[in-house]
Amino acid sequence: KQEVTQIPAALSVPEGENLVLNCSFTDSAIYNLQWFRQDPGKGLTSLLLIQSSQREQTSGRLNASLDKSSGRSTLYIAASQPGDSATYLCAVSDSSASKIIFGSGTRLSIRP
Amino acid sequence: NAGVMQNPRHLVRRRGQEARLRCSPMKGHSHVYWYRQLPEEGLKFMVYLQKENIIDESGMPKERFSAEFPKEGPSILRIQQVVRGDSAAYFCASSLRGQGDYGYTFGSGTRLTVV
Repeated sequence: KQEVTQIPAALSVPEGENLVLNCSFTDSAIYNLQWFRQDPGKGLTSLLLIQSSQREQTSGRLNASLDKSSGRSTLYIAASQPGDSATYLCAVSDSSASKIIFGSGTRLSIRP
Repeated sequence: NAGVMQNPRHLVRRRGQEARLRCSPMKGHSHVYWYRQLPEEGLKFMVYLQKENIIDESGMPKERFSAEFPKEGPSILRIQQVVRGDSAAYFCASSLRGQGDYGYTFGSGTRLTVV
């Protein structure tokens, strides 16, 4: 059974710092991995999608990497801003691809 | 492109009533997924549907919950005889094809409160 873990559960850093959020999954037979952002009381916004054959994806200040063999992904945020404060969710699509499994998220707070 | 539309945004029901949550997928998407997020918890898969078919309902409680995605109209998640423990945010996602080749797009959710 696929399990997705995100570390740390919460993170607070001063504005301007670069930071890394971690995601690990127990079954390497994934179809793809997607990072989302969720603001309090709101829905999910897709940030980056990495197919299983890819190693990384970049969008603006965000870079996501995928090491499928070791069951790990990282989300790198450069030059953090207070507007980046949110919960970041990692989700993997399993090989049967009938659903995606979410981690419990990292709650990020950027201090001005 | 209006994205995934869910309504209502907020729904209050008394214990024992029925709750109907609606989800219209993105234009051209024929795959719909429902997730539940309990307070201070992660998102849990409930059900995966294609038009007129339930593909995977392994996350759906066996009683009181049902889902459909008719040929015409939105997908409906129905909860009969709601209890306080059903209070949660219910999110719908859609994808262009199965396996989420192009990722999943989520709606803003319906927040159900059972009083």
